[in-house]
Formats: sequence, structure tokens, C-alpha cells
Amino acid sequence: NAGVMQNPRHLVRRRGQEARLRCSPMKGHSHVYWYRQLPEEGLKFMVYLQKENIIDESGMPKERFSAEFPKEGPSILRIQQVVRGDSAAYFCASSPNLAGVVGSGANVLTFGAGSRLTVL
Amino acid sequence: AQTVTQSQPEMSVQEAETVTLSCTYDTSESNYYLFWYKQPPSRQMILVIRQEAYKQQNATENRFSVNFQKAAKSFSLKISDSQLGDTAMYFCAFMKLQGGSEKLVFGKGTKLTVNP
Repeated sequence: NAGVMQNPRHLVRRRGQEARLRCSPMKGHSHVYWYRQLPEEGLKFMVYLQKENIIDESGMPKERFSAEFPKEGPSILRIQQVVRGDSAAYFCASSPNLAGVVGSGANVLTFGAGSRLTVL
Repeated sequence: AQTVTQSQPEMSVQEAETVTLSCTYDTSESNYYLFWYKQPPSRQMILVIRQEAYKQQNATENRFSVNFQKAAKSFSLKISDSQLGDTAMYFCAFMKLQGGSEKLVFGKGTKLTVNP
């Protein structure tokens, strides 16, 4: 079981360019979450997706940020026209398809190693 | 909205000793989970321990245990027999159960250093 795979681990972009971060959930997991960690801060929720559906995007900035989780392939977090303030570590997490079932043991998110975005 | 507060930005402990990290949270929910995650220098987020709010018994995982005080909304982590590999950032996190959206709300973290 390869765990949650994120790539790239490190990405450097110049202001105005686009950044694409990929996340493959653990085998058997159909829920994907994206979190952002600014320097010296805890992780902040961005978006929650299931296959082909965005369930909760309440933490996503209104502009320039988008996320998808297609039927086939990894989940992608896309940041258009990056600015220096987008520099952060972006973490993906996944969980199995037993959300909200108390005591099921499903409410444990497994995190990837993160993708560090640096905007020059 | 839920908030999680970790009042100790940094702590240090001698190897083999015991250390307790504090966490308090604010919520009006009655059904939720609490977690401690460890983030070593590699930045990988690693689950340390989990507590269901409906369980009165404190969770334990080997050298790690929690003191869960639901009325006080307190969830501290005790690390016994500290090891050099325990050096990391430790994040306390809250998850409420709402329509299947398992959002974690994190505290700002406590940087723990274990000294030889």
C-alpha cells in the first residue's frame, strides 16, 4: 500500500505562472482533502472532494484556485497566476468511503508528504 | 466555528523524561473527534493518537496518552520515556461530524525538542 502520493514534492514558479499539484489517494480511499500550511502555522482546510464531485470548498480562495478529482487519475489542485503569498506547503489527505459513521474508524485522514510551492 | 488553541509554541524535554503538550478547543458540538498529529522535519503528517468525544476512557498508544476533559474542552498529550525521534512539531486537531465532511481544524502547533 503506497499511501497518499503527492507530486511534485517541490515546485518553483514565477509570479503569474500556473501551479498544478497532484494527489493520488491511498488504495481504497475515495475521499480527498487539500490543506495548506503557511510558515509557522498549522494546516488550514481548503477543499474536500469525492470522485467527480466537490463536496466542500469553503476553505478555497475565491479566485485563482480550483480543484478536481476526476473519475480516472489523481486529484489536482490548480493555482492560476500565482503570487508570492501562495508560497506554502500543500498537503493532500484521503479517507475511505465511510464518512460520518461514528466509531467506524473511517474518520482518520492519511496525509501525503506535501508539496512545497515557492513563488519567486 | 471551531477553534483549537495550543498555548505552548515550543517545549523541550530530556531524553527518557515525560512531557505534556496542552490543547484546548472551542465547539458547541457534542459528537466529534480529536487528534494529535506529529510533523517531523520531513514534514510528513503522522497520526499519533485519536480520541472519540463519546468515549470517556482516555486513548493510549504505547508511550503516548491523552488526558481528555470534555467539560473543560481540554485534550492534552503526554509523551512518556521521550526519545530523540519524538522531536517534531505536534498539532492538535478537531473534527466534527457534519454530513460526511471530515474537516480537520488544526492548532498552530507546539515545537517539541528532545535533548540527549
